[in-house]
Amino acid sequence: AQSVTQLDSHVSVSEGTPVLLRCNYSSSYSPSLFWYVQHPNKGLQLLLKYTSAATLVKGINGFEAEFKKSETSFHLTKPSAHMSDAAEYFCVVSLQEGYSTLTFGKGTMLLVSP
Amino acid sequence: GAGVSQTPSNKVTEKGKYVELRCDPISGHTALYWYRQSLGQGPEFLIYFQGTGAADDSGLPNDRFFAVRPEGSVSTLKIQRTERGDSAVYLCASSLAASGDTQYFGPGTRLTVL
Repeated sequence: AQSVTQLDSHVSVSEGTPVLLRCNYSSSYSPSLFWYVQHPNKGLQLLLKYTSAATLVKGINGFEAEFKKSETSFHLTKPSAHMSDAAEYFCVVSLQEGYSTLTFGKGTMLLVSP
Repeated sequence: GAGVSQTPSNKVTEKGKYVELRCDPISGHTALYWYRQSLGQGPEFLIYFQGTGAADDSGLPNDRFFAVRPEGSVSTLKIQRTERGDSAVYLCASSLAASGDTQYFGPGTRLTVL
């Protein structure tokens, strides 16, 4: 069984300040972990993906996430928020080996103010 | 190249009616997935196709829901005797194969049952 908990339903930041979106996971096996972003009226877009290579994963648009097995966490960060980062972010878990569906968290809405 | 497309983008129907939602995956992708996203929630898995066959339909909520992929490309999600609780955004995703491959999502179909 696998599950994901996104600790904040909403995060508000000012443009130019750091972003931290928190995610904890539970998985019986070695997980693959993802962050997807969903802009209004747009499809889900993959930001980054962890599959047991480097624990610090760099994604698109300056985002990165660090896999911490001891903390079962996969938090998403960005050094400096941009207005265009305002969207909903989903942390997702699946199994690394073999077929597995994606299990999504409930999402974190990132609000960026000027 | 072209991404995953879904039609219609919006569908409004009355309780008890039958609806069909269509998904065109990325060309060459053998794996196709359907998810349902209710308001304020992350997407939830419905069904997965590998080629023409439904490899996992464990997420379908009941026997009013059915999906087909007769030629291993386009898929149709069919909902009989719709209920107000079926209102949601229905998302389709495709991947090159299944195990560990990135899933690419379409923009979704917003279904509203009155």
